[in-house]
Amino acid sequence: QQQVKQSPQSLIVQKGGISIINCAYENTAFDYFPWYQQFPGKGPALLIAIRPDVSEKKEGRFTISFNKSAKQFSLHIMDSQPGDSATYFCAASYFSGGYNKLIFGAGTRLAVHP
Amino acid sequence: EAQVTQNPRYLITVTGKKLTVTCSQNMNHEYMSWYRQDPGLGLRQIYYSMNVEVTDKGDVPEGYKVSRKEKRNFPLILESPSPNQTSLYFCASTRRYGGSYNEQFFGPGTRLTVL
Repeated sequence: QQQVKQSPQSLIVQKGGISIINCAYENTAFDYFPWYQQFPGKGPALLIAIRPDVSEKKEGRFTISFNKSAKQFSLHIMDSQPGDSATYFCAASYFSGGYNKLIFGAGTRLAVHP
Repeated sequence: EAQVTQNPRYLITVTGKKLTVTCSQNMNHEYMSWYRQDPGLGLRQIYYSMNVEVTDKGDVPEGYKVSRKEKRNFPLILESPSPNQTSLYFCASTRRYGGSYNEQFFGPGTRLTVL
């Protein structure tokens, strides 16, 4: 049973369009929500992250929207570019027993067509 | 350059033949982890280490071992690999900012095939 549910599994967007990836969680102990970006043949890398005390965080074309009451968060990529084509993982973290536990979603493969 | 290195990058082996995947980081991080990535399942943690000689099971530890004798190195050991361990493996080193806030630095991955 996945603690962090991510959708869709794959996404095709035209250049200049908006890409939206959604995630949901159940465990209310989670208090940090990062997104990781993975290009083919590479390891994931941190893209953007949000704390639950804010509803939105924006960095350039990338925005996280966070809905604490619904236990959902999403990544929006504005003006999507072919260079954004990658796999995106949402994640959720909590701190317990001296350790940061991080749970990843299943991933979304994004293809941006020119 | 801050980095996590893994070796080998690709490995094809047969059932039951012991293997080790090495991992090294140069960022002086205390926390390190191993993950496996499978289609539709995302990244799942195999083992983690909070410091030298301190290791613990993650979410999918069966069939794996680890050791942490030095801060920079965290090898993953498969003593008797089986075909269900065919996967893409990532080592990660963690920069901690306090509480739950952290950043994982991943290695380039090791593609393992067990025949």
